[in-house]
Amino acid sequence: NAGVTQTPKFRILKIGQSMTLQCTQDMNHNYMYWYRQDPGMGLKLIYYSVGAGITDKGEVPNGYNVSRSTTEDFPLRLELAAPSQTSVYFCASSYGSQNSNQPQHFGDGTRLSIL
Amino acid sequence: AQSVTQPDIHITVSEGASLELRCNYSYGATPYLFWYVQSPGQGLQLLLKYFSGDTLVQGIKGFEAEFKRSQSSFNLRKPSVHWSDAAEYFCAVVNFGNEKLTFGTGTRLTIIP
Repeated sequence: NAGVTQTPKFRILKIGQSMTLQCTQDMNHNYMYWYRQDPGMGLKLIYYSVGAGITDKGEVPNGYNVSRSTTEDFPLRLELAAPSQTSVYFCASSYGSQNSNQPQHFGDGTRLSIL
Repeated sequence: AQSVTQPDIHITVSEGASLELRCNYSYGATPYLFWYVQSPGQGLQLLLKYFSGDTLVQGIKGFEAEFKRSQSSFNLRKPSVHWSDAAEYFCAVVNFGNEKLTFGTGTRLTIIP
Protein backbone atom coordinates (compact mmCIF):
# COMPACT_ATOMS: atom_id res chain seq x y z
CA ASN A 1 0.00 0.00 0.00
CA ALA A 2 1.89 3.06 -1.28
CA GLY A 3 -0.46 5.72 0.16
CA VAL A 4 0.03 9.14 -1.45
CA THR A 5 2.79 9.32 -4.07
CA GLN A 6 4.17 12.57 -5.42
CA THR A 7 6.51 12.99 -8.38
CA PRO A 8 8.99 14.45 -8.93
CA LYS A 9 10.68 14.90 -5.54
CA PHE A 10 12.80 17.81 -6.75
CA ARG A 11 12.65 20.11 -9.74
CA ILE A 12 14.29 23.32 -10.90
CA LEU A 13 12.41 25.46 -13.41
CA LYS A 14 13.24 28.62 -15.28
CA ILE A 15 10.91 31.59 -15.03
CA GLY A 16 8.05 31.23 -17.50
CA GLN A 17 8.32 27.46 -17.89
CA SER A 18 5.41 25.20 -17.15
CA MET A 19 5.20 21.87 -15.38
CA THR A 20 2.83 19.44 -13.76
CA LEU A 21 3.28 18.05 -10.27
CA GLN A 22 1.84 14.57 -10.10
CA CYS A 23 -0.07 13.11 -7.18
CA THR A 24 -1.68 9.72 -6.99
CA GLN A 25 -3.24 7.78 -4.13
CA ASP A 26 -4.19 4.12 -3.90
CA MET A 27 -6.53 4.32 -0.91
CA ASN A 28 -9.70 5.10 -2.91
CA HIS A 29 -10.01 8.42 -1.11
CA ASN A 30 -12.59 10.88 -2.35
CA TYR A 31 -10.93 14.02 -1.03
CA MET A 32 -7.60 15.30 -2.29
CA TYR A 33 -5.67 18.47 -1.53
CA TRP A 34 -2.68 20.48 -2.70
CA TYR A 35 -0.72 22.61 -0.25
CA ARG A 36 2.39 24.72 -0.45
CA GLN A 37 4.80 25.18 2.44
CA ASP A 38 7.11 28.16 2.51
CA PRO A 39 10.06 28.41 4.95
CA GLY A 40 8.93 29.18 8.49
CA MET A 41 5.29 28.96 7.52
CA GLY A 42 2.51 26.50 7.89
CA LEU A 43 0.86 24.85 4.93
CA LYS A 44 -1.46 26.87 2.75
CA LEU A 45 -4.21 25.22 0.72
CA ILE A 46 -3.95 25.79 -3.04
CA TYR A 47 -6.78 23.62 -4.42
CA TYR A 48 -8.84 20.70 -3.28
CA SER A 49 -11.21 18.15 -4.75
CA VAL A 50 -14.12 16.30 -3.15
CA GLY A 51 -14.34 13.71 -5.90
CA ALA A 52 -13.60 12.99 -9.55
CA GLY A 53 -14.64 15.90 -11.74
CA ILE A 54 -15.00 18.35 -8.84
CA THR A 55 -12.35 20.87 -7.80
CA ASP A 56 -12.39 24.07 -5.79
CA LYS A 57 -10.03 26.87 -4.87
CA GLY A 58 -8.24 27.04 -1.58
CA GLU A 59 -6.48 29.94 0.04
CA VAL A 60 -3.74 30.59 -2.58
CA PRO A 61 -4.93 29.34 -6.02
CA ASN A 62 -3.46 32.06 -8.26
CA GLY A 63 -0.92 30.76 -10.76
CA TYR A 64 -2.07 27.15 -10.46
CA ASN A 65 -4.59 24.83 -12.08
CA VAL A 66 -5.81 21.37 -11.18
CA SER A 67 -7.91 18.61 -12.65
CA ARG A 68 -9.44 15.46 -11.22
CA SER A 69 -10.38 13.06 -13.99
CA THR A 70 -9.98 9.97 -11.81
CA THR A 71 -10.31 9.19 -8.13
CA GLU A 72 -6.63 8.29 -7.90
CA ASP A 73 -4.94 11.26 -9.57
CA PHE A 74 -4.88 14.97 -8.76
CA PRO A 75 -2.20 16.77 -10.78
CA LEU A 76 -1.22 20.39 -10.09
CA ARG A 77 -0.26 22.54 -13.07
CA LEU A 78 1.98 25.62 -13.08
CA GLU A 79 1.52 27.39 -16.42
CA LEU A 80 4.01 30.27 -16.14
CA ALA A 81 6.45 29.60 -13.34
CA ALA A 82 7.37 32.60 -11.18
CA PRO A 83 9.99 32.93 -8.41
CA SER A 84 7.16 33.36 -5.88
CA GLN A 85 6.16 29.77 -6.58
CA THR A 86 9.41 28.42 -5.17
CA SER A 87 8.17 26.21 -2.36
CA VAL A 88 7.62 22.69 -1.15
CA TYR A 89 4.36 21.26 -2.43
CA PHE A 90 2.40 18.61 -0.58
CA CYS A 91 -0.45 16.52 -1.82
CA ALA A 92 -2.85 14.93 0.65
CA SER A 93 -5.92 12.76 0.56
CA SER A 94 -8.66 11.66 2.93
CA TYR A 95 -11.55 9.25 2.78
CA GLY A 96 -14.05 11.82 3.92
CA SER A 97 -14.47 15.46 4.70
CA GLN A 98 -12.40 17.17 7.36
CA ASN A 99 -15.68 17.38 9.26
CA SER A 100 -16.19 13.62 9.29
CA ASN A 101 -13.35 12.67 11.60
CA GLN A 102 -11.17 11.50 8.72
CA PRO A 103 -7.46 12.33 8.81
CA GLN A 104 -5.49 13.57 5.84
CA HIS A 105 -2.68 11.38 4.50
CA PHE A 106 0.25 13.31 3.08
CA GLY A 107 2.79 12.59 0.39
CA ASP A 108 6.49 13.27 0.95
CA GLY A 109 6.42 16.52 -0.99
CA THR A 110 7.90 18.05 -4.15
CA ARG A 111 10.62 20.66 -3.67
CA LEU A 112 10.33 23.18 -6.50
CA SER A 113 12.75 26.01 -7.25
CA ILE A 114 12.08 28.69 -9.86
CA LEU A 115 15.19 30.50 -11.07
CA ALA B 1 -11.54 34.48 9.63
CA GLN B 2 -10.16 31.53 11.53
CA SER B 3 -6.53 31.61 12.56
CA VAL B 4 -4.04 29.55 14.51
CA THR B 5 -1.12 30.87 16.54
CA GLN B 6 1.83 28.82 17.68
CA PRO B 7 3.82 31.30 19.78
CA ASP B 8 6.97 29.18 20.08
CA ILE B 9 9.04 28.96 16.91
CA HIS B 10 11.67 26.65 18.41
CA ILE B 11 11.78 24.63 21.63
CA THR B 12 14.68 22.61 23.00
CA VAL B 13 14.00 19.86 25.53
CA SER B 14 16.20 17.28 27.19
CA GLU B 15 15.47 13.65 26.43
CA GLY B 16 13.18 12.26 29.10
CA ALA B 17 11.80 15.65 30.07
CA SER B 18 8.18 16.67 29.69
CA LEU B 19 6.94 18.72 26.76
CA GLU B 20 4.17 21.21 26.14
CA LEU B 21 3.66 22.92 22.77
CA ARG B 22 1.24 25.82 22.71
CA CYS B 23 -1.54 26.45 20.22
CA ASN B 24 -4.16 29.20 20.29
CA TYR B 25 -6.97 29.52 17.80
CA SER B 26 -9.39 32.20 16.75
CA TYR B 27 -12.76 30.94 15.61
CA GLY B 28 -16.33 31.90 16.37
CA ALA B 29 -17.86 28.47 16.91
CA THR B 30 -16.49 25.24 18.31
CA PRO B 31 -13.54 24.39 16.10
CA TYR B 32 -12.20 21.10 14.87
CA LEU B 33 -8.57 21.02 15.97
CA PHE B 34 -5.61 18.93 14.88
CA TRP B 35 -1.96 18.40 15.68
CA TYR B 36 0.34 17.16 12.92
CA VAL B 37 4.03 16.23 13.05
CA GLN B 38 6.50 16.62 10.20
CA SER B 39 9.85 14.85 10.22
CA PRO B 40 12.62 16.28 7.99
CA GLY B 41 11.95 15.66 4.31
CA GLN B 42 8.61 14.04 5.03
CA GLY B 43 4.97 14.91 4.74
CA LEU B 44 2.74 15.58 7.72
CA GLN B 45 1.38 12.85 9.96
CA LEU B 46 -1.69 13.27 12.12
CA LEU B 47 -0.94 13.00 15.86
CA LEU B 48 -4.42 13.62 17.23
CA LYS B 49 -7.61 15.54 16.69
CA TYR B 50 -10.46 17.10 18.68
CA PHE B 51 -13.98 17.22 17.31
CA SER B 52 -16.23 17.08 20.37
CA GLY B 53 -16.69 15.31 23.69
CA ASP B 54 -13.85 14.73 26.11
CA THR B 55 -11.57 17.75 26.06
CA LEU B 56 -8.46 15.65 26.73
CA VAL B 57 -7.60 13.66 23.63
CA GLN B 58 -5.02 10.94 23.26
CA GLY B 59 -2.94 10.52 20.14
CA ILE B 60 -0.22 8.39 18.72
CA LYS B 61 3.36 8.19 20.00
CA GLY B 62 2.28 8.99 23.57
CA PHE B 63 1.04 12.51 22.83
CA GLU B 64 -2.08 14.12 24.27
CA ALA B 65 -3.74 17.50 23.90
CA GLU B 66 -6.31 19.39 25.93
CA PHE B 67 -8.98 21.65 24.45
CA LYS B 68 -9.70 24.65 26.67
CA ARG B 69 -12.52 26.75 25.28
CA SER B 70 -12.07 29.53 27.86
CA GLN B 71 -8.46 30.02 26.77
CA SER B 72 -8.98 29.24 23.06
CA SER B 73 -6.13 26.80 23.38
CA PHE B 74 -5.27 23.28 22.29
CA ASN B 75 -1.85 22.57 23.76
CA LEU B 76 0.07 19.41 22.95
CA ARG B 77 1.81 17.50 25.74
CA LYS B 78 4.02 14.50 26.27
CA PRO B 79 5.26 13.38 29.70
CA SER B 80 8.67 12.12 28.54
CA VAL B 81 10.18 12.94 25.16
CA HIS B 82 12.38 10.63 23.12
CA TRP B 83 15.09 11.65 20.65
CA SER B 84 12.83 10.44 17.82
CA ASP B 85 10.30 13.16 18.72
CA ALA B 86 12.56 15.82 17.19
CA ALA B 87 10.46 17.26 14.36
CA GLU B 88 8.25 20.17 13.37
CA TYR B 89 4.79 20.26 14.95
CA PHE B 90 1.80 22.00 13.42
CA CYS B 91 -1.51 22.88 14.99
CA ALA B 92 -4.46 23.28 12.60
CA VAL B 93 -8.14 24.22 12.67
CA VAL B 94 -10.92 23.54 10.19
CA ASN B 95 -14.21 25.32 9.70
CA PHE B 96 -17.25 23.18 10.14
CA GLY B 97 -18.80 22.90 6.71
CA ASN B 98 -15.78 23.50 4.52
CA GLU B 99 -12.52 21.82 3.71
CA LYS B 100 -10.18 24.66 4.49
CA LEU B 101 -7.64 23.56 7.04
CA THR B 102 -5.73 26.51 8.52
CA PHE B 103 -2.27 25.69 9.85
CA GLY B 104 -0.16 27.47 12.39
CA THR B 105 3.41 28.38 11.49
CA GLY B 106 4.81 25.41 13.37
CA THR B 107 7.08 24.74 16.34
CA ARG B 108 10.41 23.07 15.75
CA LEU B 109 11.33 20.67 18.53
CA THR B 110 14.96 19.85 19.26
CA ILE B 111 15.87 17.08 21.71
CA ILE B 112 19.20 17.19 23.53
CA PRO B 113 20.81 14.25 25.36
